[in-house]
Amino acid sequence: DQQVKQNSPSLSVQEGRISILNCDYTNSMFDYFLWYKKYPAEGPTFLISISSIKDKNEDGRFTVFLNKSAKHLSLHIVPSQPGDSAVYFCAASRAAGNKLTFGGGTRVLVKP
Amino acid sequence: DGGITQSPKYLFRKEGQNVTLSCEQNLNHDAMYWYRQDPGQGLRLIYYSQIVNDFQKGDIAEGYSVSREKKESFPLTVTSAQKNPTAFYLCASRNRGRKNIQYFGAGTRLSVL
Repeated sequence: DQQVKQNSPSLSVQEGRISILNCDYTNSMFDYFLWYKKYPAEGPTFLISISSIKDKNEDGRFTVFLNKSAKHLSLHIVPSQPGDSAVYFCAASRAAGNKLTFGGGTRVLVKP
Repeated sequence: DGGITQSPKYLFRKEGQNVTLSCEQNLNHDAMYWYRQDPGQGLRLIYYSQIVNDFQKGDIAEGYSVSREKKESFPLTVTSAQKNPTAFYLCASRNRGRKNIQYFGAGTRLSVL
């Protein structure tokens, strides 16, 4: 039973354009959400997070949106750069909990 | 500088052999985690530890064992009972009291000979 799903396994975007990555979750107890970026043969790097008390959090080129009623979050990267080419994982947790539940990842390719 | 060190980067296991993956952190984090990643898939939790001398099973603990004798160290043993050990193994740590942001090591790729 996948509690966190990333339904798009891959995404291709032109440099300078917007990348939009989507993530859905089923567990209504989740109240803290994170995005990680991962290059091949490396560990994931934390990008940005959002608490369920917010619906938007922005950090430079990265913005995460949360729609609690739809149990959906998205990551926007504007403008996309070739160095953004990587696999992106969304993850969810209960703020009072200790574990992260990860989605399956979306591979992003930014074309020059 | 602070971080999480996993070793070795590549490891090969023979049939019937136990192997141990090392994870050391100098971030003074309380909690540590082990994940497994298979090709094209997300990360699955094997074991985690919130404090020294205590650990809990994750979602796929069968065939694995851990210990937490020191705060900075959380080794993972892949036993011969784990029939499909080939994967990328990731160790992470988190500071209790902060939001649940986990920081990852560079990973160990385990293959079966």
